[in-house]
Amino acid sequence: EVQLVESGGGLVQPGGSLRLSCAASGFTFSSYWMHWVRQAPGKGLVWVSRINSDGSSTSYADSVKGRFTISRDNAKNTLYLQMNSLRAEDTAVYYCARVRRYGPDYWGQGTLVTVSS
Amino acid sequence: QSVLTQPPSASGTPGQRVTISCSGSSSNIGSNTVNWYQQLPGTAPKLLIYSNNQRPSGVPDRFSGSKSGTSASLAISGLQSEDEADYYCAAWDDSLNGLYVFGTGTKVTVL
Repeated sequence: EVQLVESGGGLVQPGGSLRLSCAASGFTFSSYWMHWVRQAPGKGLVWVSRINSDGSSTSYADSVKGRFTISRDNAKNTLYLQMNSLRAEDTAVYYCARVRRYGPDYWGQGTLVTVSS
Repeated sequence: QSVLTQPPSASGTPGQRVTISCSGSSSNIGSNTVNWYQQLPGTAPKLLIYSNNQRPSGVPDRFSGSKSGTSASLAISGLQSEDEADYYCAAWDDSLNGLYVFGTGTKVTVL
């Protein structure tokens, strides 16, 4: 059974940093691209970042480019999102998702990030 | 950034057919396949339709998808109370350095 479990969310002050993790199991993690997607309270889904299977290629939404870094450790079956210079508008539930050729198929349950003083 | 446009809401009575539209452009829907996600209240999104019209295992055949040009649609036939949820279309976008874009979302209400 495919499982994705996010962790690392919490309350952080504006300008602060946070690192999210996504532990994967039930599939060959190193064979799949992965995404981070976020959802602000009461709002829609917004794609944040993606990484290819070996970590050599990444892409970011304009809203997080230069502030967020996606990475992965295939030996640990874990995906990461390092978030720096956090702003109030980064407040959201962050989901990791496994990616097939057509797009994301399995999603984690999400972790809440709140940026507030 | 949502570049795919959906109606904010749709509704129907049990047993009815409901259709949700998704409008994009030549760089996303026009040149890539469309996926649909269902998000029940308080839960993570779930893949409902992939590659325009394919259902993952376990998804009832009441759900169907189609695509034409730069638009796509999701149909729910025989609407049930448990179908009350938010629905999002999504596709890769070739103009945005290989990024993935979501629709604005449609809230389906079962009357």
